[in-house]
Amino acid sequence: KNQVEQSPQSLIILEGKNCTLQCNYTVSPFSNLRWYKQDTGRGPVSLTIMTFSENTKSNGRYTATLDADTKQSSLHITASQLSDSASYICVVSPSGSGGSNYKLTFGKGTLLTVNP
Amino acid sequence: KAGVTQTPRYLIKTRGQQVTLSCSPISGHRSVSWYQQTPGQGLQFLFEYFSETQRNKGNFPGRFSGRQFSNSRSEMNVSTLELGDSALYLCASSLASILAGVAYEQYFGPGTRLTVT
Repeated sequence: KNQVEQSPQSLIILEGKNCTLQCNYTVSPFSNLRWYKQDTGRGPVSLTIMTFSENTKSNGRYTATLDADTKQSSLHITASQLSDSASYICVVSPSGSGGSNYKLTFGKGTLLTVNP
Repeated sequence: KAGVTQTPRYLIKTRGQQVTLSCSPISGHRSVSWYQQTPGQGLQFLFEYFSETQRNKGNFPGRFSGRQFSNSRSEMNVSTLELGDSALYLCASSLASILAGVAYEQYFGPGTRLTVT
C-alpha cells in the first residue's frame, strides 16, 4: 500500500531559526513529490515539485531535497518568519497509467509554529 | 488571473440531506480534483475530472459523486450525509491531469467547510 509519513507531527521554533521537515514514502513507481504550505482555514499552496531525477529545489527560503533511492525528502526552512507558521504537507504521485493505487498519496502534514 | 473559487464557503446540513459543492478552476485549466480534509485523516483524494471525464477516484463510498462541465467548472455531490462527512472540501485545478506523468502545478481553492449535524 502506498504511504507517505511525515515527521515531526508538530514543531515549535523561534523566529529566525532554521528547521527541517521530513517526508518518507513507499510510493512506487514514483513520478514526483510535492511540498505544500497550508495556512489555517485556507487551501494548500505549492512550494516545490520535484521529479525523481531532481535532488534539490529551492523556492526562496524553502529548500526541498529528494533521495529517490531511500525514498526520503526533506523541506528546509531558513531564517524562519512568523508567517511560516502553517501546516506543511508532502504529496507523492505515482508513475504509470492506472490501477487502484494510481492516485496522489498525501502525508498528514507537519504543523509548524514560529514564535517571536 | 483569478484563482480557483469554491462556493459556498460554509455550509451546515443535517444527517440524511444531500449537498452540492461547486468549483470554478483557473481559466484555461482542464483538470479539477476534489479532496476531503479532516483533522484525523488529513487530505484525502476524492476524484479527478479532466475534459468532463472522471479520470480517477479515491476510496470513498458511492455517496460521493461529481461531474465536470464543458467550461471545466465542476460540482461535487454528497448524498445521505453522515456526521463523518463534516470536513473541509478542497478543489484544485491544473492545466492537465496531475496523473499524466508530468509534474503539472496544482492550484487549490479556499475550500468549503461542511458541517453535518
